Amino acid sequence: QVQLVESGGGVVQPGGSLRLSCAASGFTFSSYGMHWVRQAPGKGLEWVAFIRYDGSNKYYADSVKGRFTISRDNSKNTLYLQMNSLRAEDTAVYYCAKRAAAPSYMDVWGKGTTVTVSS
Amino acid sequence: EIVLTQSPGTLSLSPGERATLSCRASQSVSSSYLAWYQQKPGQAPRLLIYGASSRATGIPDRFSGSGSGTDFTLTISRLEPEDFAVYYCQQYGSSSWTFGQGTKVEIK
Repeated sequence: QVQLVESGGGVVQPGGSLRLSCAASGFTFSSYGMHWVRQAPGKGLEWVAFIRYDGSNKYYADSVKGRFTISRDNSKNTLYLQMNSLRAEDTAVYYCAKRAAAPSYMDVWGKGTTVTVSS
Repeated sequence: EIVLTQSPGTLSLSPGERATLSCRASQSVSSSYLAWYQQKPGQAPRLLIYGASSRATGIPDRFSGSGSGTDFTLTISRLEPEDFAVYYCQQYGSSSWTFGQGTKVEIK
């Protein structure tokens, strides 16, 4: 079945870096764009970044632009999120999500990985 | 950036009742680009509705979506115990995706 499994979360100090991974299975990963979406504790969902199926285009929320980088390795069926210059407000559960057949929504989500930015 | 405002913030209803959730956009949104998700505590969001009114695979027909332009609605015709959750609307436009702040449907 279609599955997304995030990893790489943890506790990091402000100003630090972390790289998240999302392992995909059960579908042709190289054919679909992928998203990162986050959810701060007790808050709503916030879209973070999107990468096209071939990595040719990447888009970011203003809140992370210049600090986060989305990438993918289609040979490994894996999505990444490199997070630099982390701030307390980046504390959240980070979900990877698969773009649906249409570009406008996300039809499969992972269970998430937790990032805590704290000194 | 298009802002989505959901109302009410919390809806207190009993099983078997009808739930009507609203999502209002700050600018017109193409109906093709409006989706709804359900999220239960400790779980990832689940796609319910896409294209404003199409149910995702496996979603019961008690869930329906409607609307156009700036006003969209998610209706749950008869609440089942498993429907008590938080619901988010989401739109896509200009290579950016935004979510509403969510409506919590709780047991009265």
